Amino acid sequence: RKEVEQDPGPFNVPEGATVAFNCTYSNSASQSFFWYRQDCRKEPKLLMSVYSSGNEDGRFTAQLNRASQYISLLIRDSKLSDSATYLCVVNILRTTDSWGKFQFGAGTQVVVTP
Amino acid sequence: SAVISQKPSRDICQRGTSLTIQCQVDSQVTMMFWYRQQPGQSLTLIATANQGSEATYESGFVIDKFPISRPNLTFSTLTVSNMSPEDSSIYLCSVERGGIEQAFFGQGTRLTVV
Repeated sequence: RKEVEQDPGPFNVPEGATVAFNCTYSNSASQSFFWYRQDCRKEPKLLMSVYSSGNEDGRFTAQLNRASQYISLLIRDSKLSDSATYLCVVNILRTTDSWGKFQFGAGTQVVVTP
Repeated sequence: SAVISQKPSRDICQRGTSLTIQCQVDSQVTMMFWYRQQPGQSLTLIATANQGSEATYESGFVIDKFPISRPNLTFSTLTVSNMSPEDSSIYLCSVERGGIEQAFFGQGTRLTVV
């Protein structure tokens, strides 16, 4: 079983619509949670961190459910520029040192259409 | 944030040869990380490079195949040795700020082995 699992998509979304997708993680020791965005042939870039209380950044809302070990991302009023692959990332504190280890999902592809 | 310069951005190499990828960070960082991302897959950590000590390799990766240098706190190299077509992938260097914070990535090196 993969440490971080995502629906690969693609999610085809009409412009202006809302899309939401989840990610599940298997390690209960996961401490930090993030959504990264990766455009085609580009490096991943942080979209937003995810907090237990849920957090919102403009059109993007992220939620964390520790009990069920999943995080979600919701995009409202989708723009064409939102088309990308969204990577779910969890950080697990290693016991050997004080540094975390990032675990990446394979990504969920979102395609926003006119 | 961190500015990471990675080069080359892409290369096409003959099997059996080696390629060294360079990663330069605009500020001093304790840990640098090397990832591989094969097409359609998630990022996989190859090794962690700490200045002044040998790199720590993840399961499935060995020093003979992926030697790493970390001569100072702003620079690291990853060499892909004795390449085969299976090594065709995107290689990314990364740094973190603090113990459990976001990861910053270089632009990636797209390697094709023919």
